[in-house]
Amino acid sequence: EAQVTQNPRYLITVTGKKLTVTCSQNMNHEYMSWYRQDPGLGLRQIYYSMNVEVTDKGDVPEGYKVSRKEKRNFPLILESPSPNQTSLYFCASSPAGETGELFFGEGSRLTVL
Amino acid sequence: GEDVEQSLFLSVREGDSSVINCTYTDSSSTYLYWYKQEPGAGLQLLTYIFSNMDMKQDQRLTVLLNKKDKHLSLRIADTQTGDSAIYFCAESIGDYKLSFGAGTTVTVRA
Repeated sequence: EAQVTQNPRYLITVTGKKLTVTCSQNMNHEYMSWYRQDPGLGLRQIYYSMNVEVTDKGDVPEGYKVSRKEKRNFPLILESPSPNQTSLYFCASSPAGETGELFFGEGSRLTVL
Repeated sequence: GEDVEQSLFLSVREGDSSVINCTYTDSSSTYLYWYKQEPGAGLQLLTYIFSNMDMKQDQRLTVLLNKKDKHLSLRIADTQTGDSAIYFCAESIGDYKLSFGAGTTVTVRA
């Protein structure tokens, strides 16, 4: 089944404790991206990647890192999480040369205490 | 900058039509999209319209695009309880980059 898989789906952590949210897609998509969803603000892009070893900042990259060592994986790293990073995170992927449709994972709800 | 605006809430009676409105700012957007998010799930593409079209119909869904006013709407005919969800309007603002609105929560009441 074609899908974008994120883990963990739910996480409660404490300020400053490094964490990684994994994202994997099995559709051979070139493009991958991370968004955060906050009430009243919709989805805001954190980082994106056009292909392996190519990553770029989105609209709200502060406090986050990403890597794209393999085409299928695009982990989101929070080196020192803070409470303002409490949010619902979505990973998405898209094939090149199409309509730009994004395929989303089911989301990872992160709470930073 | 890019800014997509939509109302936050819509309540509709089952069987009636729902109309969700959206305004966008980037006149060079190639595609405009409607995504649906059901509770506890990710977003799924509902429909999209190419910028050189005025209207697109897909079963119960009708998308209207007014490029002059940068206004996009989604009409859902015969709204059902399964249509209760958050609906996001989005515009393409570059290669693979989408700008999303805040989402409209649609509640279908019996």
